[in-house]
Amino acid sequence: DTAVSQTPKYLVTQMGNDKSIKCEQNLGHDTMYWYKQDSKKFLKIMFSYNNKELIINETVPNRFSPKSPDKAHLNLHINSLELGDSAVYFCASSPGTSDGIQYFGAGTRLSVL
Amino acid sequence: AQSVTQPDIHITVSEGASLELRCNYSYGATPYLFWYVQSPGQGLQLLLKYFSGDTLVQGIKGFEAEFKRSQSSFNLRKPSVHWSDAAEYFCAVVGGAQKLVFGQGTRLTINP
Repeated sequence: DTAVSQTPKYLVTQMGNDKSIKCEQNLGHDTMYWYKQDSKKFLKIMFSYNNKELIINETVPNRFSPKSPDKAHLNLHINSLELGDSAVYFCASSPGTSDGIQYFGAGTRLSVL
Repeated sequence: AQSVTQPDIHITVSEGASLELRCNYSYGATPYLFWYVQSPGQGLQLLLKYFSGDTLVQGIKGFEAEFKRSQSSFNLRKPSVHWSDAAEYFCAVVGGAQKLVFGQGTRLTINP
């Protein structure tokens, strides 16, 4: 039973399209995150939610909109996709907000053509 | 701002050999430090963490790391690597605003 699950695993789409990535955790954690990993494997936080409230919002284009319907789910919607959005997106969760212990999903590889 | 540097982008070792992956951090206060591992096609998994106390910390899969404040380092070690240790290794620090800041990663290749 996967602790942090993301769907889809792969996403191939055209420039200008809108797409969503879903994330669910069954660990009972209060905090969830979205990270972007670029082609050089550099991993950077995008957003963090604690009990459905946004607590971290990095300098991400407003084409990216996270939504947390409940504390077990954090979805990422991307409007007007651009070539530079191609990356692997990771969802993660943690029991707290500050100790750095996080549990990651397997990632969603987004390719924008 | 907090930062983490992993000087080695790619390291190759023979199976059974010892391993040391380097990590240097920049942080004003006492850092919370981590090593995460990413196997091919997988998400990151926590190997070990340092919060305070004993500067030599033990983790999963036979890994250990040593915190050296004077050198701002948190190097990862394993006495004898296995082929299954081939992966990408990330050092990280909890910085301001409770964000986890990662290094660039070190790719470990194991020769049979």
